Amino acid sequence: ETGVTQTPRHLVMGMTNKKSLKCEQHLGHNAMYWYKQSAKKPLELMFVYNFKEQTENNSVPSRFSPECPNSSHLFLHLHTLQPEDSALYLCASSQERENSPLHFGNGTRLTVT
Amino acid sequence: GQNIDQPTEMTATEGAIVQINCTYQTSGFNGLFWYQQHAGEAPTFLSYNVLDGLEEKGRFSSFLSRSKGYSYLLLKELQMKDSASYLCAALDSNYQLIWGAGTKLIIKP
Repeated sequence: ETGVTQTPRHLVMGMTNKKSLKCEQHLGHNAMYWYKQSAKKPLELMFVYNFKEQTENNSVPSRFSPECPNSSHLFLHLHTLQPEDSALYLCASSQERENSPLHFGNGTRLTVT
Repeated sequence: GQNIDQPTEMTATEGAIVQINCTYQTSGFNGLFWYQQHAGEAPTFLSYNVLDGLEEKGRFSSFLSRSKGYSYLLLKELQMKDSASYLCAALDSNYQLIWGAGTKLIIKP
């Protein structure tokens, strides 16, 4: 499925680097999300955007900075990360915020060294 | 607090039937989702239940009991491609998704 596309698929960065994750959805959805997935843990919601406006920020450290320039694109800017930030970062979109199913991208596997 | 419980791992045989259980404790309830996630891939939507009962979609069925805070995903005629993690997630009264840690299903020939 190419509905939600994430780049890059893999990223290795040092703790002093700055990098960005990109997400693009071609489904005409109004809501976009960033999730963190760590092994054997539930998905952690990081940020939610509805119609380009950030509606949720679940106590995410400031070293993660989201950007949503339009309803089809979502970025996650990363700087001065810690090794414990290594995880799979998933982008998702949905038609609306409530009970619509999420459509996920394949994720970016991030390793912080 | 809000919580979802599902088994960490299950093993089943090709051609058989397997039932993956999920129990939830949430502040209010607006439905329950099941997603399938193959290793290294995106989670994909399988089912959504908000009313009690069984919903069937081909080889996959999902059941919900709101009074018991319980759901299960039933997979019939298992195929090797069904080897994946299965994620249960409940919607609370604020339409926040509460996720389980996922059940890794291993299918053996």
